[in-house]
Amino acid sequence: SQQGEEDPQALSIQEGENATMNCSYKTSINNLQWYRQNSGRGLVHLILIRSNEREKHSGRLRVTLDTSKKSSSLLITASRAADTASYFCATGLASGGSYIPTFGRGTSLIVHP
Amino acid sequence: GAVVSQHPSWVICKSGTSVKIECRSLDFQATTMFWYRQFPKQSLMLMATSNEGSKATYEQGVEKDKFLINHASLTLSTLTVTSAHPEDSSFYICSARDTAGWQETQYFGPGTRLLVL
Repeated sequence: SQQGEEDPQALSIQEGENATMNCSYKTSINNLQWYRQNSGRGLVHLILIRSNEREKHSGRLRVTLDTSKKSSSLLITASRAADTASYFCATGLASGGSYIPTFGRGTSLIVHP
Repeated sequence: GAVVSQHPSWVICKSGTSVKIECRSLDFQATTMFWYRQFPKQSLMLMATSNEGSKATYEQGVEKDKFLINHASLTLSTLTVTSAHPEDSSFYICSARDTAGWQETQYFGPGTRLLVL
């Protein structure tokens, strides 16, 4: 069953602006991951943040995690038209050596040039 | 980074036929691969976990006789949609976990779009 839920479902911005997407989840996690999917394509792993981390950066991406609120945010700074894609958060709980991420519905981001 | 391929990338078939989709990890070994299904503008729904050398673990509501999974080697898993019907039309995505790397990171294939007429 789905656990992560992204918000907003759709986001439309101008190139150069920042884009913020949020993800909420329900149960305890070991980590949370953000993925990107271009239309009709597979998923690309963007960033992983562990449950004991609060913030992580990767290039123009900044991810925060608040385990007390069971939420995470993905910030894309200085967005580009090429950032247009769907973004998914995936939460995971490792158990007995196995790990399966559960995906939310995703945020569809459109960056207008 | 690690690469996962899928073949075919798209397939159109008649109702009642069976379709096989291959998922390969190209530069790493994967004891575990996952099969997902995605409808337009929807999230990825996990169908089954494919384990090399053993039976696949199916998620609730997924018919194991309908979606046959075989994970015969550390680099190949196959999903066969048997007696496909129009409602099976979807985007099927596999992923693989590098056994030598971080267990949490999965690498996804490019997906296979299936259209059943």
